[in-house]
Amino acid sequence: DTEVTQTPKHLVMGMTNKKSLKCEQHMGHRAMYWYKQKAKKPPELMFVYSYEKLSINESVPSRFSPECPNSSLLNLHLHALQPEDSALYLCASSQQLAGFTGELFFGEGSRLTVL
Amino acid sequence: AQSVAQPEDQVNVAEGNPLTVKCTYSVSGNPYLFWYVQYPNRGLQFLLKYITGDNLVKGSYGFEAEFNKSQTSFHLKKPSALVSDSALYFCAVRETGANNLFFGTGTRLTVIP
Repeated sequence: DTEVTQTPKHLVMGMTNKKSLKCEQHMGHRAMYWYKQKAKKPPELMFVYSYEKLSINESVPSRFSPECPNSSLLNLHLHALQPEDSALYLCASSQQLAGFTGELFFGEGSRLTVL
Repeated sequence: AQSVAQPEDQVNVAEGNPLTVKCTYSVSGNPYLFWYVQYPNRGLQFLLKYITGDNLVKGSYGFEAEFNKSQTSFHLKKPSALVSDSALYFCAVRETGANNLFFGTGTRLTVIP
């Protein structure tokens, strides 16, 4: 199984809602990532988890809250978002951070629209 | 600081013709270079990487890339383009010791039948 599965594929939420994005991989990878991608732009790193611990937070606003319940799952909790947060949110995994080879496995993304 | 430049937003090529998608980079130390492809409404897929060794790297779907240290370039090439190659292509770089990739702005490749 070489897939990274993201749910939901599409999400529309109001600025006062609380929602979550979910990501799952069963490749035994120990590093998981959240990226944000705006239209016609490259992916921008948000968070990296290594062995279920937060390793990198790229100064992301606190309205985005990541969680890694176990080595296969990664969540992104959303609260009080702004319309400018509308984007494609991509989850990725890699074998590990130590000796990171640069080969990331991406999910298809969750397209978020904030009204 | 690391940076990646993809000078062309859009590349059009006729089916069967060779294609080139350009990438130049700037990093401290030895570069780790990558190409990823993104099809519509999909996540990114790894194509190939250069870490060390032979300057010509072969990857998935018949793509290859040539590392040129003197020109700080890592152009993506394919001898004969297919319509199904139409997608968004991202060059990426990783600095030595870093744990994430820095992506270029992307080049949209359109292969015309």
